[in-house]
Amino acid sequence: AQTVTQSQPEMSVQEAETVTLSCTYDTSESDYYLFWYKQPPSRQMILVIRQEAYKQQNATENRFSVNFQKAAKSFSLKISDSQLGDAAMYFCAYRRQTTSGTYKYIFGTGTRLKVLA
Amino acid sequence: KAGVTQTPRYLIKTRGQQVTLSCSPISGHRSVSWYQQTPGQGLQFLFEYFSETQRNKGNFPGRFSGRQFSNSRSEMNVSTLELGDSALYLCASSHGVGRSETQYFGPGTRLLVL
Repeated sequence: AQTVTQSQPEMSVQEAETVTLSCTYDTSESDYYLFWYKQPPSRQMILVIRQEAYKQQNATENRFSVNFQKAAKSFSLKISDSQLGDAAMYFCAYRRQTTSGTYKYIFGTGTRLKVLA
Repeated sequence: KAGVTQTPRYLIKTRGQQVTLSCSPISGHRSVSWYQQTPGQGLQFLFEYFSETQRNKGNFPGRFSGRQFSNSRSEMNVSTLELGDSALYLCASSHGVGRSETQYFGPGTRLLVL
């Protein structure tokens, strides 16, 4: 069964510094998508970035980038120039295709990021 | 384009009651998925509806049910509420098809069962 592991329940970063959140997953499939979602204290879950497994190039969205290591089944999120607004719970998610051709998402347990002023 | 909306945002019920939560997806999205989020269990998948049909289902008891209307709006119903049903219920919408399909979440409904 596919699983998603976020081994860091909580992390802290100083404002303007860089932080990396870890995510590993277990799968035997070769075609899948990976996502990072951000859930600020207001609870609205926001898509941060996504990565297609077939693309070797790491996805980037402004200050957010990923380090996708397919062989190692690792998908870490790097936040550069951290801002107070980055404080949130971050969830890593894996999307797989079911035998009927639909999609199911599996989420990690989340990493709470604190940004220190 | 308006995002995913959920109503109500907060709800307090007592054990044994039932509750109905509503979710309006992003315009054009035909898939609506429901998740239960608790501090101990994280996000647990409840079910997914696509074009008014339940397409996927998680491991929740039959007290949890849902439906989807022709305009893609979805409702989730929980009958005979238990204390353990207290959680944030998240709805996510997506196109439901295509390789690049991605879920977008609503703000959630916070349910407290007393």
